[in-house]
Amino acid sequence: GQQLNQSPQSMFIQEGEDVSMNCTSSSIFNTWLWYKQDPGEGPVLLIALYKAGELTSNGRLTAQFGITRKDSFLNISASIPSDVGIYFCAGHGGYQKVTFGIGTKLQVIP
Amino acid sequence: EAQVTQNPRYLITVTGKKLTVTCSQNMNHEYMSWYRQDPGLGLRQIYYSMNVEVTDKGDVPEGYKVSRKEKRNFPLILESPSPNQTSLYFCASSLKVTQKLQFFGPGTRLTVL
Repeated sequence: GQQLNQSPQSMFIQEGEDVSMNCTSSSIFNTWLWYKQDPGEGPVLLIALYKAGELTSNGRLTAQFGITRKDSFLNISASIPSDVGIYFCAGHGGYQKVTFGIGTKLQVIP
Repeated sequence: EAQVTQNPRYLITVTGKKLTVTCSQNMNHEYMSWYRQDPGLGLRQIYYSMNVEVTDKGDVPEGYKVSRKEKRNFPLILESPSPNQTSLYFCASSLKVTQKLQFFGPGTRLTVL
């Protein structure tokens, strides 16, 4: 089946720093999604990307759908303590299954 | 309030004892799905349903069953649970089959002894 490689798997950053994480796929996706999961909660959708090259922002978050349709990245600018959590990328191909990356655990040091 | 609910939130059971985890959404969503989350493996899709009476296997369906008799409910059934099914389970739904913006439930933590 389709596989997603998400990196890095964990990050420790200083408050105020910018963060970047990315996902690459072994096959083409039609949609890329980025979710955040807080401890004890279900994932919450942050950004959805629907076409190659698309760049979308949501506050301090910016995500891009790679031109090859096999990759996507998420940037967080000026990180704050509430950015702590696990960030997941997810891709959707030609069928109704959605494939998730293994997650990037972000910790922000005040 | 629009939401996806799951019950129970926590369950400890023993090998072989059939159990059902319920999932319900109040948003009239067509698409519903079950995932399991394990350390180092992320979220893996178990089963999904595109509408009433329409279900299909995800990436890890072995040992699980589902049903979709009503639009709002999508229960996950473990006929004979085993310890390797100890995991955190999430139900999710989205408005249309073609819409990938899934809303997730709060999760069910299952331990099989």
